[in-house]
Amino acid sequence: EAQVTQNPRYLITVTGKKLTVTCSQNMNHEYMSWYRQDPGLGLRQIYYSMNVEVTDKGDVPEGYKVSRKEKRNFPLILESPSPNQTSLYFCASSFAGGPYEQYFGPGTRLTVT
Amino acid sequence: GENVEQHPSTLSVQEGDSAVIKCTYSDSASNYFPWYKQELGKGPQLIIDIRSNVGEKKDQRIAVTLNKTAKHFSLHITETQPEDSAVYFCAASNDYKLSFGAGTTVTVRA
Repeated sequence: EAQVTQNPRYLITVTGKKLTVTCSQNMNHEYMSWYRQDPGLGLRQIYYSMNVEVTDKGDVPEGYKVSRKEKRNFPLILESPSPNQTSLYFCASSFAGGPYEQYFGPGTRLTVT
Repeated sequence: GENVEQHPSTLSVQEGDSAVIKCTYSDSASNYFPWYKQELGKGPQLIIDIRSNVGEKKDQRIAVTLNKTAKHFSLHITETQPEDSAVYFCAASNDYKLSFGAGTTVTVRA
């Protein structure tokens, strides 16, 4: 089954404790992206990757890091999480080298206390 | 950067009636305009999209129109059904980045 998977689905952590949210797709997609969703703000793009080893900032990249060492994986790293990073996070992927016809993962609910 | 505004924020319609959601964008370089539907507890799902060289696109009960001159695009859902109840997001892209509107919660009343 073609899908985008994220782990963990739920995470409660404390300020300053480094964490990684994994994202994997099995569709051989070139483009992958991370978004955060907050009430009243829609989805905002954090980082995107056009292909392996090629990443760039979205609209809200502060406090986040990403890497794309393999085509199927695109982890999101929070090196020192803060309460304002409490949010619902979505990973997405698409075949073409841009955000066209994206498939979204199920989401990761992160709470930073 | 791109700024996408979406209206209304909530929309309640009688089953069988039509629903219209409108979006405006700011970046004239934007060339791809998707619409996503999000059901409770799930990730957004693409329902229809349109490119800047097309003025209108239809897929069964769903249609999207684009006015590049005015920088606005709209989603039209005809003959609404209870399963159309969800949050709908418009978005605009200039090849690599994607900017979303704030979303419209659509409720279809039986």
